[in-house]
Amino acid sequence: GAVVSQHPSRVICKSGTSVKIECRSLDFQATTMFWYRQFPKQSLMLMATSNEGSKATYEQGVEKDKFLINHASLTLSTLTVTSAHPEDSSFYICSVPPGTDNSPLHFGNGTRLTVT
Amino acid sequence: AQSVTQLGSHVSVSEGALVLLRCNYSSSVPPYLFWYVQYPNQGLQLLLKYTTGATLVKGINGFEAEFKKSETSFHLTKPSAHMSDAAEYFCAVGKGKGNKLVFGAGTILRVKS
Repeated sequence: GAVVSQHPSRVICKSGTSVKIECRSLDFQATTMFWYRQFPKQSLMLMATSNEGSKATYEQGVEKDKFLINHASLTLSTLTVTSAHPEDSSFYICSVPPGTDNSPLHFGNGTRLTVT
Repeated sequence: AQSVTQLGSHVSVSEGALVLLRCNYSSSVPPYLFWYVQYPNQGLQLLLKYTTGATLVKGINGFEAEFKKSETSFHLTKPSAHMSDAAEYFCAVGKGKGNKLVFGAGTILRVKS
């Protein structure tokens, strides 16, 4: 069964509104979760590392105020796209490392965001 | 710093033919290497991984990959393609602690009947 639950799978919103995406670890507690963004026909780019109980770590070039990350508990991380614009339309995927450094990530099924 | 290059953004094979998807990596430390498969509008599913030990790694759905340090390669193969193998495949290298991954650009595999 699924190890990571991501919700919603699709969302369409108007420019200027905010959208929240949830990522839940179903089988284990996760002090760290990763948020990736995937543009059409491109690879996944790491946006940020969500840390339970502390601030997220953002990759270079990612706007912290635009993409708000909250790791509220050991099983839930949220990504809020604030004041969304059409260029924020993308596929957002969260992932959860199950344990040791060399363990493969478990991925959510992604969220397709379309900003009109 | 780590990087991944996947040669060929699109690969087309006939059903029953050999599948070969190429991946070369660059890493300043011993790499952790992964292959993931992605179906449309879905997340990524792990096919196989290399961390240490045996250089020939077997994964799910009949896929395997061989880590060749001298060639800095981790090519993905499957002896006989099936229609259900049509998807996009990503090679990734582990980036430091905490499983941060650097992904290649992806290769779309098309299987012809």
